[in-house]
Amino acid sequence: DAGITQSPRYKITETGRQVTLMCHQTWSHSYMFWYRQDLGHGLRLIYYSAAADITDKGEVPDGYVVSRSKTENFPLTLESATRSQTSVYFCASSGPLRGYNQPQHFGDGTRLSIL
Amino acid sequence: DQQVKQNSPSLSVQEGRISILNCDYTNSMFDYFLWYKKYPAEGPTFLISISSIKDKNEDGRFTVFLNKSAKHLSLHIVPSQPGDSAVYFCAASPTGTASKLTFGTGTRLQVTL
Repeated sequence: DAGITQSPRYKITETGRQVTLMCHQTWSHSYMFWYRQDLGHGLRLIYYSAAADITDKGEVPDGYVVSRSKTENFPLTLESATRSQTSVYFCASSGPLRGYNQPQHFGDGTRLSIL
Repeated sequence: DQQVKQNSPSLSVQEGRISILNCDYTNSMFDYFLWYKKYPAEGPTFLISISSIKDKNEDGRFTVFLNKSAKHLSLHIVPSQPGDSAVYFCAASPTGTASKLTFGTGTRLQVTL
């Protein structure tokens, strides 16, 4: 089915470990985004990408790394996980028209717990 | 610094009545506004949007009003239905940064029978 999928849906890991969250979309959207949702903060933008090989920081990028070698995939890596990164992570995409306002469409999220 | 604010964490409305959710923003560069609905364990779902060149946009039971001078927007749901019970997020995007959104903290709407 077309859409945006995130994996895994749930993940438990330990501090200091590296963990990668996957995001895949089938719409050929040019823009992709990573957000985290925490109580009292709503959704905050971590990183976004305007196209393959183009990425930029959002509001809370520290401790995260992204890459986008293919248009459809936008993985998010926590290089050395910390407890403060326990959160629900959402991937989103929009487009395909660059420069035009388009609503973002979200995946169902990854709930990440760091012990 | 919260640039998009939803000051009511929760709202309870009877089925069939009007639900009014409010959102305030501080950044004058915002020119595109959206509302998303979110159910537990799911991602946010786009509901309705409005550009700053308009003051009202309607889609079925949902209407969004924008008051640029007051930097305020509201979402009206008429009539409210039990399936509307969810968390509603207001979001805003500034000029020239297509799709880069700033979200409010959300309002939990409960529609009672």
